[in-house]
Amino acid sequence: QSALTQPASVSGSPGQSITISCTGTSSDIADSKYVSWYQEHPGEAPKLIIYDVSNRPSGISYRFSGSKSGNTASLTISGLQAEDEATYYCSSHTVTRPYVFGSGTEVTVL
Amino acid sequence: QVQLVQSGAEVKRPGASVKVSCKASGFTFSNYYIHWVRRAPGQGLEWVGQSNPSGGGTHYAQSLQGRVTVTRDTSTTTVYMELSSLRSEDTAVYYCAKEGASGAKNFDFWGPGTLVIVSS
Repeated sequence: QSALTQPASVSGSPGQSITISCTGTSSDIADSKYVSWYQEHPGEAPKLIIYDVSNRPSGISYRFSGSKSGNTASLTISGLQAEDEATYYCSSHTVTRPYVFGSGTEVTVL
Repeated sequence: QVQLVQSGAEVKRPGASVKVSCKASGFTFSNYYIHWVRRAPGQGLEWVGQSNPSGGGTHYAQSLQGRVTVTRDTSTTTVYMELSSLRSEDTAVYYCAKEGASGAKNFDFWGPGTLVIVSS
């Protein structure tokens, strides 16, 4: 199964907003209410930052927000900070395509 | 607090098998799905399979069907992932991850990962 498509890298200056896209198909993103986003710092385990398309777990900054339109989900990071520099993965779950991940996007804070 | 403690790194020959453990604590083990996810060098995350709560059912990634087995020991709150007929492409960090609330379909806590290297 092919991964969901994410840009390899996105960069922004401190304080700016950036958006990471996650493109799938009618069999995954478009058909799923279970779209999640994970943040991974080097040497650390991934961390859940968005679930069910747009919900934030307890303790996750309001600067992270998620949305979905058709085949594409998006993660927006507002007020970019140095600590946001990490790799971000999207994930989608449906019965026919369980737990498909994106290819990962490396975020650089300039 | 939730803890997932994984076994140490492994180096295996092609064709061999590897068994990685994940000991859980800090939550009611019998109520939660535990998943395995891997990340090969330079690659993205890939779901490997899951252990269902009470009842011991499992579900595996289609690409690994027939080679992967996930088991759960409720007496020690440990989940195991065994991968057989290892190939170089199986070289990866293997994470165990706890699913969120029942039916959540996300992974709200991850173990630190276990590096498995397959090399002749």
